[in-house]
Amino acid sequence: NAGVTQTPKFQVLKTGQSMTLQCAQDMNHNSMYWYRQDPGMGLRLIYYSASEGTTDKGEVPNGYNVSRLNKREFSLRLESAAPSQTSVYFCASRDHDRVAYEQYFGPGTRLTVT
Amino acid sequence: RKEVEQDPGPFNVPEGATVAFNCTYSNSASQSFFWYRQDCRKEPKLLMSVYSSGNEDGRFTAQLNRASQYISLLIRDSKLSDSATYLCVVNQGGKLIFGQGTELSVKP
Repeated sequence: NAGVTQTPKFQVLKTGQSMTLQCAQDMNHNSMYWYRQDPGMGLRLIYYSASEGTTDKGEVPNGYNVSRLNKREFSLRLESAAPSQTSVYFCASRDHDRVAYEQYFGPGTRLTVT
Repeated sequence: RKEVEQDPGPFNVPEGATVAFNCTYSNSASQSFFWYRQDCRKEPKLLMSVYSSGNEDGRFTAQLNRASQYISLLIRDSKLSDSATYLCVVNQGGKLIFGQGTELSVKP
């Protein structure tokens, strides 16, 4: 049981390049989330998916797109990377049936855009 | 004003000390409250939920004051292994809103 996995762990992009961050969970959770974390700031929600086939914008969606490929996988795409997107990106998942509102996080992707 | 505000610290304390973290939130409709722990360059993990009646888990005590929109975390008898960043988290309509975190460093 790997929990939430993310690939890649590290990435360096040039301005204007595109890439997709991958996330998968093996806990059969309904909801999945993408956050970014910047120094001195809390985690900020980029996009989320309450269930397979649905996605919604979070607090900072501009410059990103997402795909909920199936129940397990939720990917985040940067179409044209900008230096302002340099950050640590965390994917998370949650089981709706649990009473406690616990989100399980992946290990993060450290992205640098030059 | 940030939706969830914490003292960023850092808090530097000796082993065995008692330390308290405070957090305020701006949206009175917030539904549930949590403390997460984040070790350096790692992912956040749930430490404990926070209930109006107050709750305790070993050396950790969490309190919620809905009238003042205030949440606290008390750590007693600090251990070296408690060194981490503590995130105050508020559930608003199914979305988690994170504070910027309070850094704790426990020294021998």
